Amino acid sequence: AQSVTQLGSHVSVSEGALVLLRCNYSSSVPPYLFWYVQYPNQGLQLLLKYTSAATLVKGINGFEAEFKKSETSFHLTKPSAHMSDAAEYFCAVRNSGNTPLVFGKGTRLSVIA
Amino acid sequence: DAGVIQSPRHEVTEMGQEVTLRCKPISGHNSLFWYRQTMMRGLELLIYFNNNVPIDDSGMPEDRFSAKMPNASFSTLKIQPSEPRDSAVYFCASSLAGGEKLFFGSGTQLSVL
Repeated sequence: AQSVTQLGSHVSVSEGALVLLRCNYSSSVPPYLFWYVQYPNQGLQLLLKYTSAATLVKGINGFEAEFKKSETSFHLTKPSAHMSDAAEYFCAVRNSGNTPLVFGKGTRLSVIA
Repeated sequence: DAGVIQSPRHEVTEMGQEVTLRCKPISGHNSLFWYRQTMMRGLELLIYFNNNVPIDDSGMPEDRFSAKMPNASFSTLKIQPSEPRDSAVYFCASSLAGGEKLFFGSGTQLSVL
């Protein structure tokens, strides 16, 4: 069965510091991997996705993630945190075509001025 | 495009009452998903439809929960009778068939007293 594990339910960084949100996946076949972001009182929005093309994926708002098969990881990074990045971030996986996404439990990112 | 529209935004009800949550997916999207979000369990898939047909309802917690999609532009999630443990945020999302990008509604915050 496919699943994702997000390490750390809450991450706090200073404004301008590196953001690193961790995600490890479990999948019996090459996975499709996603990061979604949820701002307060809103639904989730797609941040970026990996679909077996380039292993380094660039998303919106300066975020990127690198697919590492040897580590079964898909960590999300941003070089310099901004106050507006404060949100909850979800890693998700799907095996193929029409199968629905399976989400991790989320990591809440706080940005300190 | 107005996006995925959910109603109501907030619902407060008493234990034992019937609750109906509504969703209008994005026009042209073939797939519709109902998710439930809680602090303890994160984001759980309850049921999803392809072309108005329920494909997988294994995530529906028990028989008190039911979902329908009578046409391509409307879906309901009903809880009867409701219980305090049903309190959560319920999200509806839609996508193109086989699409990788889910579009989420703003959710319904349900409180069962």
